[in-house]
Amino acid sequence: DAGITQSPRHKVTETGTPVTLRCHQTENHRYMYWYRQDPGHGLRLIHYSYGVKDTDKGEVSDGYSVSRSKTEDFLLTLESATSSQTSVYFCAISGSGSGQFFGPGTRLTVL
Amino acid sequence: QKEVEQDPGPLSVPEGAIVSLNCTYSNSAFQYFMWYRQYSRKGPELLMYTYSSGNKEDGRFTAQVDKSSKYISLFIRDSQPSDSATYLCAMSYYGQNFVFGPGTRLSVLP
Repeated sequence: DAGITQSPRHKVTETGTPVTLRCHQTENHRYMYWYRQDPGHGLRLIHYSYGVKDTDKGEVSDGYSVSRSKTEDFLLTLESATSSQTSVYFCAISGSGSGQFFGPGTRLTVL
Repeated sequence: QKEVEQDPGPLSVPEGAIVSLNCTYSNSAFQYFMWYRQYSRKGPELLMYTYSSGNKEDGRFTAQVDKSSKYISLFIRDSQPSDSATYLCAMSYYGQNFVFGPGTRLSVLP
């Protein structure tokens, strides 16, 4: 998976609780992304980062925040989880002219 | 109209067939194009990455881009049961922040 790990790989939580997902890369790539993948919607961009402390919103950012304090780590936080945030979350990284590489995913269930 | 359209399938072919997977798009500014393979419960795996128009070949896979028609294709020669997966196309106008198609499910029958 091109030096990308995600943790946890599976999580079940309750509505209203905060949740943080972690993405870690060993490739020293500048760009990092968080996507969610749902049946009928495909991959949708939540947030992305173009450098340490530099982040921006994607298509479906409401209810999510991100932080990147180190090149290798990109955190996704669900402030107060809702059932509509039940999904599979993928982290991706890209450098210059190399395409985008995905992590193994985190399966999140919000009860 | 969605920015990137892709027939969801499922597409079923016999082993050894040539498979053609396609995407159409509406944004004429797209210049970077990718194809991914995704097995069930796994992350997408980058197969092909191309810039602008033309063809690119890698083993049994050939990617074609026709910017004048806003149409990209992925051909798989001598398809194998292990090629059974969902294939995603993605594109961007500056090499980042790619827009993804919904994916085509392919089944290669032994």
